[in-house]
Amino acid sequence: AQKITQTQPGMFVQEKEAVTLDCTYDTSDPSYGLFWYKQPSSGEMIFLIYQGSYDQQNATEGRYSLNFQKARKSANLVISASQLGDSAMYFCAMREAYLSGSARQLTFGSGTQLTVLP
Amino acid sequence: DAGITQSPRYKITETGRQVTLMCHQTWSHSYMFWYRQDLGHGLRLIYYSAAADITDKGEVPDGYVVSRSKTENFPLTLESATRSQTSVYFCASSPGQGVSYEQYFGPGTRLTVT
Repeated sequence: AQKITQTQPGMFVQEKEAVTLDCTYDTSDPSYGLFWYKQPSSGEMIFLIYQGSYDQQNATEGRYSLNFQKARKSANLVISASQLGDSAMYFCAMREAYLSGSARQLTFGSGTQLTVLP
Repeated sequence: DAGITQSPRYKITETGRQVTLMCHQTWSHSYMFWYRQDLGHGLRLIYYSAAADITDKGEVPDGYVVSRSKTENFPLTLESATRSQTSVYFCASSPGQGVSYEQYFGPGTRLTVT
């Protein structure tokens, strides 16, 4: 089973509107972290936001917020007031405390290509 | 400059050749990782290292070799390149082992095997 599922290969949003990028995850590890990264066309991976499995509140970083629904195993990224510069590929990723062994690697979803329209 | 760098940024090589991708970080992070990025797969872990002289396989290690004699360097070698290894390769580092530690990514190396 996929550990991280991003069901939206591509999305469009009008400039200044909010957009939600979906991410569902699958783990039985009691402790894990969820990350969102942005990859613009230039190719670099840019960290956006982090949510811990034990965090009581949803994470926020500027225009980014994470809608964390633990029971549903979803960690959707919300971008408010979209800007043209938000056009990029967005990846959801998870890091497990115990089940990933000593690697503690990030497991990535396949990404969502967001295009912001003027 | 501080940070994590990769070289070369672009490489074209022929099937069967050996090629080494370099990764250097200036933060003295203990953990370093190599990922490959292919369409439809996101990033997949090739190898990782918890410290100098400690390395282990990730999800897709076949055809790759790593070493880590110094904390700051983590080269990835394709011993005999194949077309299926055409990909974008990312090196990453992390200061700790906890789930909350962010991984810092290098700019990537685009490798084409002809």
